[in-house]
Amino acid sequence: EVQLLESGGGLIQPGVSLRLSCAASGFTFSNHAMSWVRQPPGKGLEWVSVINNSGHRTYYADSVKGRFTISRDDATSTLYLQMNSLRAEDTGFYYCATVPFGVFTNYYFDHWGPGTLVTVSS
Amino acid sequence: SFELTQPLSVSVSLGQVARITCSGEALPKRFAYWYQQKPGRFPVLVIYKDSERPSGIPERFSGSSSGTKATLTISGVQAEDEADYYCQSADSSGAHAIFGGGTKLTVL
Repeated sequence: EVQLLESGGGLIQPGVSLRLSCAASGFTFSNHAMSWVRQPPGKGLEWVSVINNSGHRTYYADSVKGRFTISRDDATSTLYLQMNSLRAEDTGFYYCATVPFGVFTNYYFDHWGPGTLVTVSS
Repeated sequence: SFELTQPLSVSVSLGQVARITCSGEALPKRFAYWYQQKPGRFPVLVIYKDSERPSGIPERFSGSSSGTKATLTISGVQAEDEADYYCQSADSSGAHAIFGGGTKLTVL
């Protein structure tokens, strides 16, 4: 059974950095691209970033490009999201999600974690 | 920029057919995907590649796509189907995922 568990969220001040983690199990992590999707409380889903199975290709939403960095550690089956220069508009639930293949073109998300809440406020 | 447009809300009586639409200029060249999200829960994939249903998803969920519009159809709506539904596709590069704004399905 695929399991994803995000951690690292919390209440932080604007301008601060935070790193989210997603522990994966129940599938061969190194075979899959992985992604982060976020959702402000009470609002819709917003794709944030994706990384291919080798970790050599990454893409970001314009709203986070240059501030966020996605990475992966296949040895520990862990996905990361380093978030710098955080803003109030970055507040939301952050979900990690699996892509059903290793590379991406017109991809989708077949498994999701329960999410971790990031609140950016002074 | 590529956008996907969904109605804010759809209401349907118990046992009837619900149709949720998703419009976007990219859809003639890209697949549409659909997710169900219940309050306080993470999204669940219910349709992929326009019309394919993942294992474990009830047969009453189906999808179709024609031109710039994709449609999620729920036949014989159950009370448990009340949820937010999101369509998803990709931009011209295929590397940037795009979500629709979401549709709240209310079962009367």
